[in-house]
Amino acid sequence: GQSLEQPSEVTAVEGAIVQINCTYQTSGFYGLSWYQQHDGGAPTFLSYNALDGLEETGRFSSFLSRSDSYGYLLLQELQMKDSASYFCAVGGSQGNLIFGKGTKLSVKP
Amino acid sequence: GAGVSQTPSNKVTEKGKYVELRCDPISGHTALYWYRQSLGQGPEFLIYFQGTGAADDSGLPNDRFFAVRPEGSVSTLKIQRTERGDSAVYLCASRVPGTGSDNEQFFGPGTRLTVL
Repeated sequence: GQSLEQPSEVTAVEGAIVQINCTYQTSGFYGLSWYQQHDGGAPTFLSYNALDGLEETGRFSSFLSRSDSYGYLLLQELQMKDSASYFCAVGGSQGNLIFGKGTKLSVKP
Repeated sequence: GAGVSQTPSNKVTEKGKYVELRCDPISGHTALYWYRQSLGQGPEFLIYFQGTGAADDSGLPNDRFFAVRPEGSVSTLKIQRTERGDSAVYLCASRVPGTGSDNEQFFGPGTRLTVL
C-alpha cells in the first residue's frame, strides 16, 4: 500500500522559518508534491520534486531524498496568510495523487 | 481564464436518497479527477478520467458511486442510496497531462455533501 506521514500541527511566529516533514511508503514513486489549503478552500499546488534535492519558489522551498523516502517543505519569512493546512502527496501511476493527512500551520503575530 | 467550478457548493440530503455532483474543469484540460475529503483528512482519490473514459476508478468505495464524463469536459459524480458516512467534501481537479509540473492539479472549491 501507500502511506504518508506528516505532523498534524505546527505553530510558528511571523517572520520565522518553519519546516514540515513528510515520510512516505509507496509501491512506485512518481514524485512528491506539496499543496496548501486554507479553511474552506481548494487545495492549491505549491511545489513538486521528482529528483533528489531542493526546489525553491519564492519564500517556499521543497526538498526530496528518494533514498530516505523523505521530503520537507520549508516556509521562510512566515506571514499570517500562511496559516493553512499543508499536504504532501505522492503521484500515482495514472497521475492521481495520494495525500497525507495534512499539517495545520498556525502563524502567530 | 476560469478555474475549476463545482456545483452545488453545498448539498444536504437524507439517507437513502440519490445525489449528483457536477464538475466543470478548466477548458482544454483532458484529465479530470474526483477526490473526497473528510474533516481533518487529506483528499482521497476516487476516479480519474482521461477524455471521456474512466482510466482508473479504483478509488470508488463501492458500487453506489458512479461518475461520467460523456463529452470529455463536464463530469458528474453520482451517489445512490446515500449513507451518513458519505458526508464529506467532494473535490474535483483537472490538468493537461504532460504540461507543467507533473503533479500539479487544479482543484475546484468542492461540494460539501451532508447526509442526514
